[in-house]
Amino acid sequence: KAGVTQTPRYLIKTRGQQVTLSCSPISGHRSVSWYQQTPGQGLQFLFEYFSETQRNKGNFPGRFSGRQFSNSRSEMNVSTLELGDSALYLCASSLEGDYGYTFGSGTRLTVV
Amino acid sequence: AQSVTQPDIHITVSEGASLELRCNYSYGATPYLFWYVQSPGQGLQLLLKYFSGDTLVQGIKGFEAEFKRSQSSFNLRKPSVHWSDAAEYFCAVLGWNDMRFGAGTRLTVKP
Repeated sequence: KAGVTQTPRYLIKTRGQQVTLSCSPISGHRSVSWYQQTPGQGLQFLFEYFSETQRNKGNFPGRFSGRQFSNSRSEMNVSTLELGDSALYLCASSLEGDYGYTFGSGTRLTVV
Repeated sequence: AQSVTQPDIHITVSEGASLELRCNYSYGATPYLFWYVQSPGQGLQLLLKYFSGDTLVQGIKGFEAEFKRSQSSFNLRKPSVHWSDAAEYFCAVLGWNDMRFGAGTRLTVKP
């Protein structure tokens, strides 16, 4: 079966711009989580969506937002980009009650 | 608060040698524990998970991990390392709201 698909794979944006990242989970997975990965901070939880509702949110500023659609696809948006937002953004999906996440390959965002 | 510590930032082993990656967790209740592997430029792949029951857990690619409650540890092992095992390994614990990851251990395999 198809895995978790994240698009685009790479992005270069300028400070102050905004960006939208997309994640298509495995078919049947209704839970989608987003993580930011940087060399300095490691993997940090952004948010989790289940059935179009944000269920949990990490400790990130309001510039980071997300949503989930009825087909479980999810997007995250970062507004007013800062240099420190440069990171690998990972999306993971799972079945409800099964916490073994399946991760996508990530979107590498570079802010210049 | 729930947390995971991986004491070793970088480990080098020879191909064919055994491997043990250390993981210590902090969690008030019975933890749900995981090991993931990440190759350069890729996402994380689940190796194995522990929820309850048998404390020795078998995973994919010949890996296993042992849960020791008395030591708050969940160490990952492999009897014979292959060059393709070179990657970064992350231990994780499921917290109240999210999965908490350790800082990772980078594994280098010498020929």
